[in-house]
Amino acid sequence: NAGVMQNPRHLVRRRGQEARLRCSPMKGHSHVYWYRQLPEEGLKFMVYLQKENIIDESGMPKERFSAEFPKEGPSILRIQQVVRGDSAAYFCASSPPAVADTQYFGPGTRLTVL
Amino acid sequence: GDSVTQMEGPVTLSEEAFLTINCTYTATGYPSLFWYVQYPGEGLQLLLKATKADDKGSNKGFEATYRKETTSFHLEKGSVQVSDSAVYFCALRDFNKFYFGSGTKLNVKP
Repeated sequence: NAGVMQNPRHLVRRRGQEARLRCSPMKGHSHVYWYRQLPEEGLKFMVYLQKENIIDESGMPKERFSAEFPKEGPSILRIQQVVRGDSAAYFCASSPPAVADTQYFGPGTRLTVL
Repeated sequence: GDSVTQMEGPVTLSEEAFLTINCTYTATGYPSLFWYVQYPGEGLQLLLKATKADDKGSNKGFEATYRKETTSFHLEKGSVQVSDSAVYFCALRDFNKFYFGSGTKLNVKP
């Protein structure tokens, strides 16, 4: 059973460009979470999604950031008009339906904004 | 609001030394508690968990006991190995949201 997959693993963007980060949850998992980790810091919750629904986006910046988890395909975290402060590691986690007790993490996408 | 506080690192130990990494939490409800480990360049891996007061989570020689009276979930290991070098994160789950501490880096020297 493959684990949580994220791609790309490394992404370099110039200021003002868009960044798209993809997350494929573990098979059978319908809950997806996105976290951001700044250097030397812990993970900060961004958003919690189920298929076609945003359940909790209280950790998402109000502008430029959006997330989706369509019926088919991976979850996407989209950052428009990136700035240097967006440079971080972005982790996706998934959990099975009705059992959100444990989250399983992907390897992360490291975004660098030049 | 909910939060997790863990001891700052880095913690440097010699092989076979005893390890304690302190973690305390603040929560409005009855959270589940977790320790995750992160190796360089990788995502977080679940190390152990406890879902209610007085539960002890254990895995790979690591242990942590859910102490409601002191709101703590300290991580311990009796004899560390070089391969235990990593960053350790304490976390709590309240409903569907996880809160993580800032992480403690452990360096184990041979």
